[in-house]
This record gives sequence, C-alpha cells and structure tokens, in this order.
Amino acid sequence: NAGVTQTPKFQVLKTGQSMTLQCAQDMNHEYMSWYRQDPGMGLRLIHYSVGAGITDQGEVPNGYNVSRSTTEDFPLRLLSAAPSQTSVYFCASSYRDMTGSTEAFFGQGTRLTVV
Amino acid sequence: ILNVEQSPQSLHVQEGDSTNFTCSFPSSNFYALHWYRWETAKSPEALFVMTLNGDEKKKGRISATLNTKEGYSYLYIKGSQPEDSATYLCALTLTLTFGKGTMLLVSP
Repeated sequence: NAGVTQTPKFQVLKTGQSMTLQCAQDMNHEYMSWYRQDPGMGLRLIHYSVGAGITDQGEVPNGYNVSRSTTEDFPLRLLSAAPSQTSVYFCASSYRDMTGSTEAFFGQGTRLTVV
Repeated sequence: ILNVEQSPQSLHVQEGDSTNFTCSFPSSNFYALHWYRWETAKSPEALFVMTLNGDEKKKGRISATLNTKEGYSYLYIKGSQPEDSATYLCALTLTLTFGKGTMLLVSP
C-alpha cells in the first residue's frame, strides 16, 4: 500500500515548456486534489476531482489542466509554463463522504522551478 | 472561496511550555474542520477531523476544540517538545480550504 505517489520530486522547466505532474493513489479514494504551496500563502487549491470523469476548479486554476480517467490517477498539466508557476505542488486524496470528514493523505510534493 | 484565518502566524516557545493556536472560519455552511501537522520537507499529516460543535479531540499532548457557532477552533500543545516544531494547518471542507498555518518552533 503505497498511499499517494507523486512524480517527479523535482523539475526545472523553461518558460513555455509543457509538462505533466503525476499523482496516483492506491487507496480507492474518490476525492483527489492538487495544491500549490508558496511562501506566505499556505496551500491553495488548484483543481479537484470527486470521482472518475469529474473535475472542477479550485482557487487558482489558471494555467493548469487536469483529467480523471481512472480512480487511481489525477495528473496535473502545465500547458505553457510561466515563472509564476514556480512552486511546490502537492497532490492529496481522501474518501468522499457527505461532509468531507475523512482525513486527506498527501503525496511527497513536487518542487517545480520555471526559468 | 472560504476565508480561513490562523493565528498567530508563527510562534517560538521553550521546551516544556504549553501553547495554543487559533483557526477562525465562517460559521455558516459548516461541514468539517481538519487540523494537519506539516514538518519541513515532508507532507502534511492529519491530526484531527472535527465535525460537531463542542467537539474535543486529543492525541497525546495535542488536543483541539471546535466552536461552529462562533466559527473557531483551538489547537493546544501541552509541554511542547522540539519534535513538535512544525507548521500547523487547519482546513475547512467540502473542498479542503486551508489557512496559511501557524509555524511553531520549540527550542530545547
């Protein structure tokens, strides 16, 4: 049982390049989400999914795309990287109940630098 | 977007001190509140999930209370130890909306 696995752990991109951050969980969790962590800003929600085939925007979705074709995987795509997307990215998953009262499990994070 | 406020922003205490932090949130449309502990270079880990007004939860030296009517939760650490040094985050559901955290440093 690996929990939530994020890859890569580190990445440097040039402005305008595209890439996909991978997130996979093996706990059969319906709810998955992506956050970015910036100094002084805490964790901000980028996109989330309540189940396969269903995604929605969070607080800071611009510049990012997501899809959820399977329960296990929730990749985050940067179509044209910008220096403002330099951040640490975390993926999280949890069971989905009516009140969100089950704890979230986080991946190890991806440190992305866009130059 | 929910407005989740945490205070203080940072705190420096001596080993053995007891301390507490506050998480404030809108009292309307409350579902659940989460507390997470986040050590540097690691991932956040859940401490408590609280749903009912008046809830009190405890894990070792750490405890939390919840007041949904007035929109706040307190996290208490009794007899702080250096290994308690971390950032403590609270978050509201349904989508987990996080506060900016309280960074705790415990000096030996």
